[in-house]
Amino acid sequence: DIVLTQSPGILSLSPGDRATLSCRASQSISSSYLAWYQQKPGQAPRVLIYRASTRATGIPDRFSGSGSGTDFTLSISRLEPEDFAVYYCQQYGSSPLTFGQGTKLEIK
Amino acid sequence: QVQLVESGGGVVQPGRSLRLSCAASGFTFSSYTMHWVRQAPGKGLEWVALISYDGRNTYYADSVKGRFTISRDNSKNTLSLQMNSLIVEDAAAYFCAKDGRPNTWFSSSLFDWGQGTLVTVSS
Repeated sequence: DIVLTQSPGILSLSPGDRATLSCRASQSISSSYLAWYQQKPGQAPRVLIYRASTRATGIPDRFSGSGSGTDFTLSISRLEPEDFAVYYCQQYGSSPLTFGQGTKLEIK
Repeated sequence: QVQLVESGGGVVQPGRSLRLSCAASGFTFSSYTMHWVRQAPGKGLEWVALISYDGRNTYYADSVKGRFTISRDNSKNTLSLQMNSLIVEDAAAYFCAKDGRPNTWFSSSLFDWGQGTLVTVSS
């Protein structure tokens, strides 16, 4: 199984700051089949980025994804109040699909 | 627009069974691989199972293999999850989710999600 390790566990920042979230895989992810999701309390997750760097429809361009192989990054250039949430990475190239444990982005 | 509506959650005793359903609309259901993903209270996301768009291929997390069965009825646009021999660790919100690309699996992220149905396992 591919284990995804996200860091940091909690990230405390202020609106307007830049956020950098990391996702490291225990083995190379084929074809960069890695996605990032945002989840707010009481809501279902929402896909932000797929194929490591492609923004999903309707996602603001302040969200960007990068990386390949085993190291991936989600960046948020200028944090808006609505961006404070939990973020998960997920690999979907092989079974079992796996998620990282999440990074909570909280207001400082 | 895509709508996924889960139902069937509730309180069940350990060792008993429960069947979840997901009613899909707003897209060609028979063209998309579907998933179940769960989230225990206050915890992260755990993928549970997938079924290919044509129903011929299924895959499961090790934690549910042999106890859970995913199925679909493409004539009724419905996804199901039969959960047998439930244990306390199965308590979670269960989400159904849809692939982002048609006619494939293991090559798409989960683009659309339902709001989830809550399963509580307790004696």
